[in-house]
Parts: sequence; structure tokens; C-alpha cells
Amino acid sequence: SQQGEEDPQALSIQEGENATMNCSYKTSINNLQWYRQNSGRGLVHLILIRSNEREKHSGRLRVTLDTSKKSSSLLITASRAADTASYFCATDPTSGSARQLTFGSGTQLTVLP
Amino acid sequence: SQTIHQWPATLVQPVGSPLSLECTVEGTSNPNLYWYRQAAGRGLQLLFYSVGIGQISSEVPQNLSASRPQDRQFILSSKKLLLSDSGFYLCAWRENLRETQYFGPGTRLLVL
Repeated sequence: SQQGEEDPQALSIQEGENATMNCSYKTSINNLQWYRQNSGRGLVHLILIRSNEREKHSGRLRVTLDTSKKSSSLLITASRAADTASYFCATDPTSGSARQLTFGSGTQLTVLP
Repeated sequence: SQTIHQWPATLVQPVGSPLSLECTVEGTSNPNLYWYRQAAGRGLQLLFYSVGIGQISSEVPQNLSASRPQDRQFILSSKKLLLSDSGFYLCAWRENLRETQYFGPGTRLLVL
């Protein structure tokens, strides 16, 4: 079963608006990562937040992590049409070997020009 | 710099035919390697991972198999494809002791 579950499944906004995506997970984690996937392409790593961190920024991206609620959010500010893609959270659990990330089902973001 | 290659990019195969998808990584040594499958509009399902040559762990029992004949080569195979094997197959690598995975461009497989 999927460890991470994103919400909403799909999001459509106007260019310039902010986009917020949420991720919930079930077990203890070392870190949580967000990836982006353009249609028909591989995934690209965006940002990683460790279990002892609460917030992290990278450019127009802001990630928060609440380990007590087992949830994370990804905020994209001042969105652009080029941000249109699917966004996945992936959890790196504290147990298990080979750092097997578990991916959620993703949020499809559409930014309208 | 490191790069990851997958081929072919697209494949159409009849039911019951064999399959071989290849993934190679350049610019690193002894990477952890992963095969994922992604159904249309869905998340990623981990199929196999490898921490070294000849070491394969299977996450999902099915008619697929994986092999790692060389340090930076990871192959996904099947003796007889099923319709349900259709999907987007992604290979990824991770440097040992690091946290981020890097993905290849993927292979789209359609089984008819």
C-alpha cells in the first residue's frame, strides 16, 4: 500500500497564484522528499526535509513537516505555466534497507496562463 | 556528472512475448538501483531494488524478474508478458548513504 497519500489529487490554478499540496503518511520516517514529474517523463527531485526539521525553503518552494500529524505540505508560490506537472511525496522510512522510498499517488497541478 | 539511461523509450509487445528493459548509470560506482512501475495517472510501485552486483530484492511477486550483471547495469525481464504488465517503467539510482533518488527517462510499455 502507498505510504504517502497526496491531497488533492488534482489542482488547477491561475498563473501567479500559490499552489498547496498535502501529503500524509503512516510510519516513522527519516525524511520526506518531494518530486516532480512532467507528463511522460522521469521524476525530478525537488526538495528533502528531515524528520527533525519543520520547514524548508528552496526558491519558490516551501515545504513543511509535522511528524506528530504525519503530514507534509508543499507550497509553490507565484506559480507559472511551466510548473504544470504531477507532484509526488516520497517517504524514507526509519526501518528497512536500501533506502526504499515509498511514493504517494501524486497531485496533478495545472497552472493556467 | 552522473547520468542514467533507459531504453527503449517506447515498446509495444504482444501478450506472451518476452521483455528486456535496460538501465545504465554513468559517473558513479556501486549505486543502489531501483525499478518502478507507474500505471497511468498513478503513483510509483517499487518492483525491484539492488544494492550490488547480483543482489536483487523483489518487492512484488509477479512474472517479472531483474538482474544486475554489472555494477551500473540493471535489467528488467519477463519470459511471457501479460496485459497487466503495460505501464511506464522507471529506473532510478541512489548513491550509497545518500537520500535522493535520481530517475531515468522511463520506458513506456504497451502489451497488446
